[in-house]
Amino acid sequence: EAGVTQSPTHLIKTRGQQATLRCSPISGHTSVYWYQQALGLGLQFLLWYDEGEERNRGNFPPRFSGRQFPNYSSELNVNALELEDSALYLCASSLASGLGTQYFGPGTRLLVL
Amino acid sequence: AQSVTQLDSQVPVFEEAPVELRCNYSSSVSVYLFWYVQYPNQGLQLLLKYLSGSTLVKGINGFEAEFNKSQTSFHLRKPSVHISDTAEYFCAVSQANAGGTSYGKLTFGQGTILTVHP
Repeated sequence: EAGVTQSPTHLIKTRGQQATLRCSPISGHTSVYWYQQALGLGLQFLLWYDEGEERNRGNFPPRFSGRQFPNYSSELNVNALELEDSALYLCASSLASGLGTQYFGPGTRLLVL
Repeated sequence: AQSVTQLDSQVPVFEEAPVELRCNYSSSVSVYLFWYVQYPNQGLQLLLKYLSGSTLVKGINGFEAEFNKSQTSFHLRKPSVHISDTAEYFCAVSQANAGGTSYGKLTFGQGTILTVHP
């Protein structure tokens, strides 16, 4: 069974640009979660999508947004990039809405110059 | 708000020695508890989870953890570590509110770097 996949693996942008990160969940999983792992800040919850709807978001500004497609894949968009957005962005998916075990992808490493 | 505290940021240990990585959480409602491992430049891999039932849970690679509700702890143990266990370990909590609605998110501890020396 294929795991969670993310693309691209690495992304380099400059300040003010927009970044788009993609995630494909495990087959049969309907919930997708996004987390940011920034140096010194640990793992922080960003967004949770289930059945195409945003169900919860963490303490991040509105320039962090995303969506979930009918096939349950998801996209994270970060607008007006700032240097401190440099981090590893991890996507996870689960079976049951919210309380199901979350399985993580390999991450996208975003570097903002 | 829930929080997770991993009491040791770094744990050095010699190969074949036992190890315990400590985790405490704060929550007044039902929680599910997880341990994940992260190898350098990789994502998170699930080691084990506590959802309900027996308080002693066994995971992959010989790891186990014990849920202690009275002490709000979920410590990870392995009786004999290998060089390949060198990695960062994260304890995480998933919580529902009093009405049973899930918040969806995992709250992670700060991580414990386990270094196994030959």
